Amino acid sequence: DAKTTQPPSMDCAEGRAANLPCNHSTISGNEYVYWYRQIHSQGPQYIIHGLKNNETNEMASLIITEDRKSSTLILPHATLRDTAVYYCIVEDNRGGSNYKLTFGKGTLLTVNP
Amino acid sequence: GAGVSQSPSNKVTEKGKDVELRCDPISGHTALYWYRQSLGQGLEFLIYFQGNSAPDKSGLPSDRFSAERTGGSVSTLTIQRTQQEDSAVYLCASSFGGLSNQPQHFGDGTRLSIL
Repeated sequence: DAKTTQPPSMDCAEGRAANLPCNHSTISGNEYVYWYRQIHSQGPQYIIHGLKNNETNEMASLIITEDRKSSTLILPHATLRDTAVYYCIVEDNRGGSNYKLTFGKGTLLTVNP
Repeated sequence: GAGVSQSPSNKVTEKGKDVELRCDPISGHTALYWYRQSLGQGLEFLIYFQGNSAPDKSGLPSDRFSAERTGGSVSTLTIQRTQQEDSAVYLCASSFGGLSNQPQHFGDGTRLSIL
């Protein structure tokens, strides 16, 4: 039962900002939004997470809409090494097992030279 | 700092053999998770350890699968009498506590191939 919707693929020019959208219209008020990425043959890499406020760290920025039904991950200056599958995940707090992360199909971001 | 370490990185074995996969979590992380990822598929939750609490084993696919976490640190996932459908990448993650707002950090996995 997917809780997030992401475009299957996106392209971005090297050096430009990459804006990856995610819809999570059924999110509950206390559920966090997490972003991970996975480069071929590596484990998922944590990027950023948030609840209500916009967040920024050394890797990316996370913009969450006021109604919390969607969010956007922003890579400010994409490089070729940012080519990966990006996963938007909403934790499932039902039943007290919010630690079971469910990865959907994600967005394949291809950064082009 | 050191991340989650898994060994071996690759394992090839014959059907019917037992295998042990090891995970060293990030120092200080009390929560540890095992997932597996089959080719082209999403992550499948297997088991969750949090401190001294009883582990959540609800994701283990059969009684051939078991896991231990000794001393609240290193964990071993054991698969007995391996089958070809066990072929997958087995991923371990750890977090500082098992609550919300504590992101899980993953190792690079063990790629298991059953011949």
